Amino acid sequence: KAGVTQTPRYLIKTRGQQVTLSCSPISGHRSVSWYQQTPGQGLQFLFEYFSETQRNKGNFPGRFSGRQFSNSRSEMNVSTLELGDSALYLCASSLDIVRDLSYEQYFGPGTRLTVT
Amino acid sequence: DQQVKQNSPSLSVQEGRISILNCDYTNSMFDYFLWYKKYPAEGPTFLISISSIKDKNEDGRFTVFLNKSAKHLSLHIVPSQPGDSAVYFCAASDTGANSKLTFGKGITLSVRP
Repeated sequence: KAGVTQTPRYLIKTRGQQVTLSCSPISGHRSVSWYQQTPGQGLQFLFEYFSETQRNKGNFPGRFSGRQFSNSRSEMNVSTLELGDSALYLCASSLDIVRDLSYEQYFGPGTRLTVT
Repeated sequence: DQQVKQNSPSLSVQEGRISILNCDYTNSMFDYFLWYKKYPAEGPTFLISISSIKDKNEDGRFTVFLNKSAKHLSLHIVPSQPGDSAVYFCAASDTGANSKLTFGKGITLSVRP
């Protein structure tokens, strides 16, 4: 079974631009979560989508948004990029947590975003 | 406020010996705990988990111990192998509220041949 895939793997943007990152979950997984990893803050939760609905949200500004499609694929968007947005953005998928009592999340390789 | 703490940033162990990685948490609502391993340029890989109704869970060379009263968990790797060298993250979840994982900042484990 294929793992979680993320595209692109690397991205360089300038301040003020916007960016869209993509995530394809493991087949059969309907929950997709996004995390930001920085050296100083570790992994921080951005948001989680399930059945095309945002089910949970972390403490990030409104410049960070996401969506999920009917095939469970997800995208996250960051508008008006700031230097501090430079980070590794990780996507994780999991089974239907409520139904299956499965809390393990499986991560993709991440997208390394550099803002200059 | 950091709810999951991995106070030791690094650990070095001889091959064949036991590695003990520690994690503390402050949120008493956390009831599910996970360990992830991360190599450079890769996403975290799920290792092992434990529910708060248990105090121990084993999977091969990996054992996780949970002490709820102390809000402390530990990951034991026996025997340690050079391929275990990586960053290890402890994560916790309040399963009654949501699926969000709260991570510690990670411990870099180096296993010396």
